[in-house]
Amino acid sequence: QVQLQESGPGLVKPSQTLSLTCTVSGGSISSGSYYWSWIRQPAGKGLEWIGRIYTSGSTNYNPSLKSRVTISVDTSKNQFSLKLSSVTAADTAVYYCARDDYDSSGNWFDPWGQGTLVTVSS
Amino acid sequence: DIQMTQSPSSLSASVGDRVTITCRASQSISSYLNWYQQKPGKAPKLLIYAASSLQSGVPSRFSGSGSGTDFTLTISSLQPEDFATYYCQQSYSTPFITFGQGTRLEIK
Repeated sequence: QVQLQESGPGLVKPSQTLSLTCTVSGGSISSGSYYWSWIRQPAGKGLEWIGRIYTSGSTNYNPSLKSRVTISVDTSKNQFSLKLSSVTAADTAVYYCARDDYDSSGNWFDPWGQGTLVTVSS
Repeated sequence: DIQMTQSPSSLSASVGDRVTITCRASQSISSYLNWYQQKPGKAPKLLIYAASSLQSGVPSRFSGSGSGTDFTLTISSLQPEDFATYYCQQSYSTPFITFGQGTRLEIK
């Protein structure tokens, strides 16, 4: 079965760029018709969808973050990545990657990575 | 943005109870509604998609219903492992997906 694993620095300084990678195992990131999404969750709060990528490279971003977000894919490594620029303390959160499945009934996230905590602090 | 509002925000119940959690959309979203369960320190887990379809491997005590703006997640007989936080998620406005604020289900 497909599994996802986030990796990247756990501490980022204010104004710098947060960079995370999600490695997909147990299947090819290019197989099937899936998007691949990033979602975040500040401590004790709810879930916020950040953006997604299709293996063709097509992307969609949350309008509230669009100016600072870049999502890319490397099919040769079975990975997709998130870059969030000009971070502030408000970007401190657990970041999840997830497979974005869809059909005529809508979109849903399954499976998810375990999540990685990113703290923005000097 | 489509706003998703869950009620209650928290709920206390006992093992064996029947529990219902409600999710209301700020506009009609047809049946484009999913439910997730999240335990502390873990990633969310998909329970229900398309308002009422049970994800493979999810116990049948979980069920979902509704369409339009009002949706419910029902747990027919609470088990100890069901105490968690539950989130609804709309995909009507895909790709601009939004989640509810969550409902924390606690042991009474």
